[in-house]
Amino acid sequence: AQTVTQSQPEMSVQEAETVTLSCTYDTSENNYYLFWYKQPPSRQMILVIRQEAYKQQNATENRFSVNFQKAAKSFSLKISDSQLGDTAMYFCAFMKHGGGATNKLIFGTGTLLAVQP
Amino acid sequence: DSGVTQTPKHLITATGQRVTLRCSPRSGDLSVYWYQQSLDQGLQFLIQYYNGEERAKGNILERFSAQQFPDLHSELNLSSLELGDSALYFCASSARWNTEAFFGQGTRLTVV
Repeated sequence: AQTVTQSQPEMSVQEAETVTLSCTYDTSENNYYLFWYKQPPSRQMILVIRQEAYKQQNATENRFSVNFQKAAKSFSLKISDSQLGDTAMYFCAFMKHGGGATNKLIFGTGTLLAVQP
Repeated sequence: DSGVTQTPKHLITATGQRVTLRCSPRSGDLSVYWYQQSLDQGLQFLIQYYNGEERAKGNILERFSAQQFPDLHSELNLSSLELGDSALYFCASSARWNTEAFFGQGTRLTVV
């Protein structure tokens, strides 16, 4: 069974600074996807970034980038130039890839990020 | 706006009762997923439907059931409700296998 671990329950960062959220996962699968979702106080689950395990290049979406280390089973999220609107709970998630597989998401426990003015 | 619509947004009901949560997926999406978010269990996958058929089951209680209708909307039925069923229930949809899921705004269920 797959598991996702986020070891930082809470983090804080000053506006305009950079912060990195950690995520590790455990799987015996070779093909899978990894995601970071953001849940602001509105409760909406918003996809931040996605990484395919077969791609060596780290995914980037504007101020958000990941450091994907497949051998180490590590998938961290870097937020550059933090903004007040980045304040949210961030969830790391795993999804198995392949024919016949459900693409259910397995979530970590989340990291609550507070961006301070 | 993700395009996934969930109703109602809030629901308060008594123990022992039955409720139905409704989800309309994004236009064209065939897969619908239900997730439960609670303080003690975190975000957990309950069940997936694909084009009207059950595709996968997760940690869904026997008191809970779901279905997906020909128009692709889905309903999650929760019966014999207990205090511990209080949670945020999300519906998500995706276009096909192995693509990201888009979430609705959730239904906050409070059992008193």
